Amino acid sequence: SAVISQKPSRDICQRGTSLTIQCQVDSQVTMMFWYRQQPGQSLTLIATANQGSEATYESGFVIDKFPISRPNLTFSTLTVSNMSPEDSSIYLCSVGQMLAPSYEQYFGPGTRLTVT
Amino acid sequence: AQSVTQLDSHVSVSEGTPVLLRCNYSSSYSPSLFWYVQHPNKGLQLLLKYTSAATLVKGINGFEAEFKKSETSFHLTKPSAHMSDAAEYFCVVSVEAGANNLFFGTGTRLTVIP
Repeated sequence: SAVISQKPSRDICQRGTSLTIQCQVDSQVTMMFWYRQQPGQSLTLIATANQGSEATYESGFVIDKFPISRPNLTFSTLTVSNMSPEDSSIYLCSVGQMLAPSYEQYFGPGTRLTVT
Repeated sequence: AQSVTQLDSHVSVSEGTPVLLRCNYSSSYSPSLFWYVQHPNKGLQLLLKYTSAATLVKGINGFEAEFKKSETSFHLTKPSAHMSDAAEYFCVVSVEAGANNLFFGTGTRLTVIP
């Protein structure tokens, strides 16, 4: 399985500022995703990071708030813009790999964000 | 439509006793089903998966799950709990191979009492 790292592992930010989270994979992967896990909640998919094109966002998430870059097949960034306390969450990067006969997702360690 | 229901938000067992974490799913298609574990301050780790092969699936750390189509269930079990099993467990369904549409359950927090 792919090994995924994220930076930073945690941060405390002031409201109104922005934070960029980096996701690095040790191998080339086609599919990369960004999830949010709010305190005490399950995971919610934010968007699919597409290499060479704009990310595909899920309902309730917009590019202006969560711009995503995917410059190559091993790296992606998620920016949380104009933060408010409601953005305090764990943000997780994941990659999808087809391992016959099924498709699997592997997750990074997450970035714990606290907005004050 | 597809969804996942984890019937217990919190399960507490004594060390050495069996573990049962319940999961029911709803899917219009033949699903793939997964269990992930999340230890405190760590990422999600894949425990096991079902993909229309054997209905009894064995995973890591002694966990296994049985796919029961008639009951639309995919319960996670382990014969004997260890202290290190204390974590959050997520049941996940995917309805399309090669797609990103994973649907996560709300999670079950497992506590293991010494």
